[in-house]
Amino acid sequence: DTEVTQTPKHLVMGMTNKKSLKCEQHMGHRAMYWYKQKAKKPPELMFVYSYEKLSINESVPSRFSPECPNSSLLNLHLHALQPEDSALYLCASSQNRDTNTGELFFGEGSRLTVL
Amino acid sequence: GQNIDQPTEMTATEGAIVQINCTYQTSGFNGLFWYQQHAGEAPTFLSYNVLDGLEEKGRFSSFLSRSKGYSYLLLKELQMKDSASYLCAVVDSNYQLIWGAGTKLIIKP
Repeated sequence: DTEVTQTPKHLVMGMTNKKSLKCEQHMGHRAMYWYKQKAKKPPELMFVYSYEKLSINESVPSRFSPECPNSSLLNLHLHALQPEDSALYLCASSQNRDTNTGELFFGEGSRLTVL
Repeated sequence: GQNIDQPTEMTATEGAIVQINCTYQTSGFNGLFWYQQHAGEAPTFLSYNVLDGLEEKGRFSSFLSRSKGYSYLLLKELQMKDSASYLCAVVDSNYQLIWGAGTKLIIKP
């Protein structure tokens, strides 16, 4: 199994809603990532979890809250988002946090629209 | 600062060869990745170079020169399905991935 699975694929939410994005991998990878990608732009790193602990938070607003319940799962909780947060949210995993030891495997992404 | 440069867009003909260049200036170097991304989809891994030279994988090859801060992705026997964005990404001294803005490749019949 070389897949990273993300749900939902599409999400539309209002600015007062609370929703969550979910990500799962069963490759035994110990590093998991959340990226945000706007159209025609490269992915922007948001969070990195290494061995289920948050190791990097790239100054992401608190309306985005990551959670890593176990080594296979990564969630991104969303609350009080703004329309400019509309983007493709990509989950990725790698063997460990040192990305030079292996490539990133990306999920198909969750397309988020904030109204 | 850290900087990765790629052409914004390139056009090539089906069956031809195209070379997509990437130059980088980063704090340290621990390898360079090329990813392919079709519109609306996730990036998929193409290649990884950490030593100078050419890595060949089927129709795709990737070259690295660390002294010049330069890499290229070579695509041969182009097919319509190769129309996509190609992202260059460098692993810096903190093992962070620094992404280029991507090159949109358009293949014409």
